[in-house]
Amino acid sequence: DGGITQSPKYLFRKEGQNVTLSCEQNLNHDAMYWYRQDPGQGLRLIYYSQIVNDFQKGDIAEGYSVSREKKESFPLTVTSAQKNPTAFYLCASEPGTARIMNTEAFFGQGTRLTVV
Amino acid sequence: GDSVTQMEGPVTLSEEAFLTINCTYTATGYPSLFWYVQYPGEGLQLLLKATKADDKGSNKGFEATYRKETTSFHLEKGSVQVSDSAVYFCALIVGGSQGNLIFGKGTKLSVKP
Repeated sequence: DGGITQSPKYLFRKEGQNVTLSCEQNLNHDAMYWYRQDPGQGLRLIYYSQIVNDFQKGDIAEGYSVSREKKESFPLTVTSAQKNPTAFYLCASEPGTARIMNTEAFFGQGTRLTVV
Repeated sequence: GDSVTQMEGPVTLSEEAFLTINCTYTATGYPSLFWYVQYPGEGLQLLLKATKADDKGSNKGFEATYRKETTSFHLEKGSVQVSDSAVYFCALIVGGSQGNLIFGKGTKLSVKP
C-alpha cells in the first residue's frame, strides 16, 4: 500500500545535539512538507519542497535544515541552533505541480521530539 | 496571499448535539478544499474533501459544501459522538508562494457524554 512514513515515533535529544527526522513516501508525490505542532496549537510550516533538489523555507525555518535528494525522501534536521525543539513534527506529501485535482495530501504519523 | 481561517476553539458539545465548525478561505486560484481530523498523539487523517464549487464532501456523518460565493467550507454533523472528540483542520491546496498546502489553525472539539 502506498503511504508516507515518519520515523522514529519518539525521539530524545540532548541539548546541543543535532538530530534528523525521517520522512519517506511511496506515493510518487512531487511536493513534501514539514510542520511543527506545539501542544494545543495548530501547524506551523518549517520547510517545503515542490521538486527534487529544491526546497523553500516556511514560516519557522530557523534552526532547521532539510534536503531533497530523492523524490521519496525529505529528512528534517533539527540543529543545535533551534532553541526550543521539543514538539510534535509532522511530514506531509501531495502530488504537487503534476497533481490530479481530486487528490489530497497525506500525512505521516508524526515524530515527537523531546530535548532532555 | 492564500489563507484559511477557522473558528477558534475549543468547542465543547454534549453527545447528539449539532456541530458546525466555520472555515473560510482566500485563494487566488481554484483550490481544492479539505477537512482533516487529528486524534491525540497521531498524524492528520483526511475526513472529507471537495474539489470544485458546490461540491459536497461527506464522511462518517460529517458534511461540508464548497461555497465559492462565500469562500467557505463549513464542517457540519447532525449528531456528534464522544468518539468525534479531536482537532479538526480546514485546508486548501492551490499553487502559491507557501507551497500548495495551506492549513487553518485547527479547532479542538470535545464531546461530553
